[in-house]
Amino acid sequence: NAGVTQTPKFQVLKTGQSMTLQCAQDMNHEYMSWYRQDPGMGLRLIHYSVGAGITDQGEVPNGYNVSRSTTEDFPLRLLSAAPSQTSVYFCASSGAENYEQYFGPGTRLTVT
Amino acid sequence: EDQVTQSPEALRLQEGESSSLNCSYTVSGLRGLFWYRQDPGKGPEFLFTLYSAGEEKEKERLKATLTKKESFLHITAPKPEDSATYLCAVLGSARQLTFGSGTQLTVLP
Repeated sequence: NAGVTQTPKFQVLKTGQSMTLQCAQDMNHEYMSWYRQDPGMGLRLIHYSVGAGITDQGEVPNGYNVSRSTTEDFPLRLLSAAPSQTSVYFCASSGAENYEQYFGPGTRLTVT
Repeated sequence: EDQVTQSPEALRLQEGESSSLNCSYTVSGLRGLFWYRQDPGKGPEFLFTLYSAGEEKEKERLKATLTKKESFLHITAPKPEDSATYLCAVLGSARQLTFGSGTQLTVLP
């Protein structure tokens, strides 16, 4: 099993550009989530999904969109990148009830 | 609103010098408290889940304990390979994980 995979590993965007961060898992997990990690602030939940076709907002959803068309994939879209979105982004998945999350390797995004 | 505070922010130990990391929390309806380890440039790696006060779990040199207000991660006779950032998170009634900002542990040989 590959576990949770994320692409790209690094990305530089200009202000106003849009892009999609990819996340996939091969563990048949129902629960998937996106976090951002900033120095001194810990991991903050952006969006999450409890199953295909179901998504909801986390703590910091503004400027991001998600969709969940399959169990395996959970892409995160930045609509119009801003310097405040410079961060490291992690995707995670877990079984429906135990919430023991498995994290991907992260995407380091810089917006100039 | 669920809150998690970890202390200290950073800890330097000599190899073999035991110590504890603290995670204080406030949560509505605790469903679980989680410890993760994060190495530089990598995603967090799951260590433990604790569900109720009084529960303890061990893995190699690590032991996690839980009370109604805080959790401790005890590190016994640490080795340099235990150097990492340790993250604590709580799952409340909202079914969303709330993370602390972590403790950066450095174990010197």
